[in-house]
Amino acid sequence: DTGVSQDPRHKITKRGQNVTFRCDPISEHNRLYWYRQTLGQGPEFLTYFQNEAQLEKSRLLSDRFSAERPKGSFSTLEIQRTEQGDSAMYLCASSPGGGGLGETQYFGPGTRLLVL
Amino acid sequence: RKEVEQDPGPFNVPEGATVAFNCTYSNSASQSFFWYRQDCRKEPKLLMSVYSSGNEDGRFTAQLNRASQYISLLIRDSKLSDSATYLCVVNRYSNYQLIWGAGTKLIIKP
Repeated sequence: DTGVSQDPRHKITKRGQNVTFRCDPISEHNRLYWYRQTLGQGPEFLTYFQNEAQLEKSRLLSDRFSAERPKGSFSTLEIQRTEQGDSAMYLCASSPGGGGLGETQYFGPGTRLLVL
Repeated sequence: RKEVEQDPGPFNVPEGATVAFNCTYSNSASQSFFWYRQDCRKEPKLLMSVYSSGNEDGRFTAQLNRASQYISLLIRDSKLSDSATYLCVVNRYSNYQLIWGAGTKLIIKP
């Protein structure tokens, strides 16, 4: 399967702990996106990378959140000092780049986080 | 007011019926429009892009009305497998942020 992959698929943690999620985009996709989705809502944009450069960050991305894409391939999203409100599905997507605003974003299966 | 608004449903529709969803967006500078489908506890998948001239893909037809800032999706001859949540998605301004509606849940009944 050459789609977007995410690891882990599920994470249960205690409030105050740090967690890190990984996303592997489709090979040769230049753009990588992180979204967060809570129950009954659509995904909310968190951040976006063009290769290794983080170009946009949402105001939702507090200073407890950090994302990296060090070599322009896989990306990590870290949440420090988790809070119960961080419980959500964290979705990663990738797109080829060069296709303009209308290019398709392909989503991974998501990491479901539960903070107790 | 949310940037993208959809009727949350659920729409309970008999198999074979035609069903229509509507979506409104608030930012007139939005440039790209999409319908995604999301099955329960799965990731969203692109159903179709929406163009000003309207576009059709099999049983699915999407329309865009820029003047009214309104997007629609029509599903004809609905199948049981069409049961899902349909998300209206708009690209904000001139960047790559996708702004999502909360989704409309569709349940097709035999």
